[in-house]
Amino acid sequence: EPEVTQTPSHQVTQMGQEVILRCVPISNHLYFYWYRQILGQKVEFLVSFYNNEISEKSEIFDDQFSVERPDGSNFTLKIRSTKLEDSAMYFCASSENGRTTGELFFGEGSRLTVL
Amino acid sequence: DQQVKQNSPSLSVQEGRISILNCDYTNSMFDYFLWYKKYPAEGPTFLISISSIKDKNEDGRFTVFLNKSAKHLSLHIVPSQPGDSAVYFCAANQGGSEKLVFGKGTKLTVNP
Repeated sequence: EPEVTQTPSHQVTQMGQEVILRCVPISNHLYFYWYRQILGQKVEFLVSFYNNEISEKSEIFDDQFSVERPDGSNFTLKIRSTKLEDSAMYFCASSENGRTTGELFFGEGSRLTVL
Repeated sequence: DQQVKQNSPSLSVQEGRISILNCDYTNSMFDYFLWYKKYPAEGPTFLISISSIKDKNEDGRFTVFLNKSAKHLSLHIVPSQPGDSAVYFCAANQGGSEKLVFGKGTKLTVNP
């Protein structure tokens, strides 16, 4: 069964450092997403990406965050200067049809710990 | 921001019985609702969805009911199995937006 894969599974970084989280969406999917879940809190939407551009972003997704699809398979989330409050599980997801009326497939997540 | 609320953090049921997980929402613009299941160390997995034009959708052991006037939906699992033990998230979407708004989740434990 096709799946969304994410790397790394866990990253520990110092505050102020740059972090790149990587995702390989399902190959025929066209819509890509990043969500995050701070420990004990809700899963929160960060950004959606379609046709090589951001289609929607939340207020969390400020100038410290960026996304990119550098080639035909990877979808990355970059945090330029990490803060303690960026510590969370980051989930990548992809969808064939978008608008989230179709099934959203999530990866297993990348746990980011900022010290 | 509590647009989607799951007021029960946990639920415990016996194997073979019905599990009922509840979800309330406040945004009347939501027109599509989804349930996701999450096991530890895994990402959420889609279970079932319902459009606001329907009041019921069934898929095997899983049925979702939507009461628009009460802004309430529920997920019924019959019969419950130990493998159903997981955290269940309710999520909602508003037409024109790509964003899913999630509840905090309900941890279901099905005891053998």
